[in-house]
Amino acid sequence: DAGITQSPRYKITETGRQVTLMCHQTWSHSYMFWYRQDLGHGLRLIYYSAAADITDKGEVPDGYVVSRSKTENFPLTLESATRSQTSVYFCASRTDTEAFFGQGTRLTVV
Amino acid sequence: EDKVVQSPLSLVVHEGDTVTLNCSYEVTNFRSLLWYKQEKKAPTFLFMLTSSGIEKKSGRLSSILDKKELSSILNITATQTGDSAIYLCAPTSGTYKYIFGTGTRLKVLA
Repeated sequence: DAGITQSPRYKITETGRQVTLMCHQTWSHSYMFWYRQDLGHGLRLIYYSAAADITDKGEVPDGYVVSRSKTENFPLTLESATRSQTSVYFCASRTDTEAFFGQGTRLTVV
Repeated sequence: EDKVVQSPLSLVVHEGDTVTLNCSYEVTNFRSLLWYKQEKKAPTFLFMLTSSGIEKKSGRLSSILDKKELSSILNITATQTGDSAIYLCAPTSGTYKYIFGTGTRLKVLA
């Protein structure tokens, strides 16, 4: 199916564990993004990527790592999960005119 | 620092009412402003605005950008319960970086 897909959709993990959220797009868009959405904060940019092997920090990168070895994949890793990283995470890719969002991953850190 | 403020934060109206949602921004290297609708899942694209004073319309929704005032409005006429959602505005900083506001939560009562 064409589009942008995230996995898993829901995840519960323990404090201190490493967690990887996956994002895959089928359009070959150059730009991809990771956002987190929390009540009162809207969507905040964690990391973005302009192309394979090119990534850069957004507003709230601490505690997260990304990679982009292939254009279509942009995984987000929480190296040692903390309760403050409990959130809904959205991956997006964009054309010149709009961004397309995945369905989100609801992550709970206990 | 880039800043986006949306108002009101939340709004409750009755079906048939007209609503106006506001977005004010201060971003470096402004290029365009996008509006998204978010129901219980991923944001979906509504409009992209690049030029001041030119209204974009889609059915009962319309939007306009004022670059002088660094603001945009989203109008919804004859509201329906299906319009209940969070409306997000996102000015772009540079060519690819969206800065999202916290959104306006609209609830339309039958």
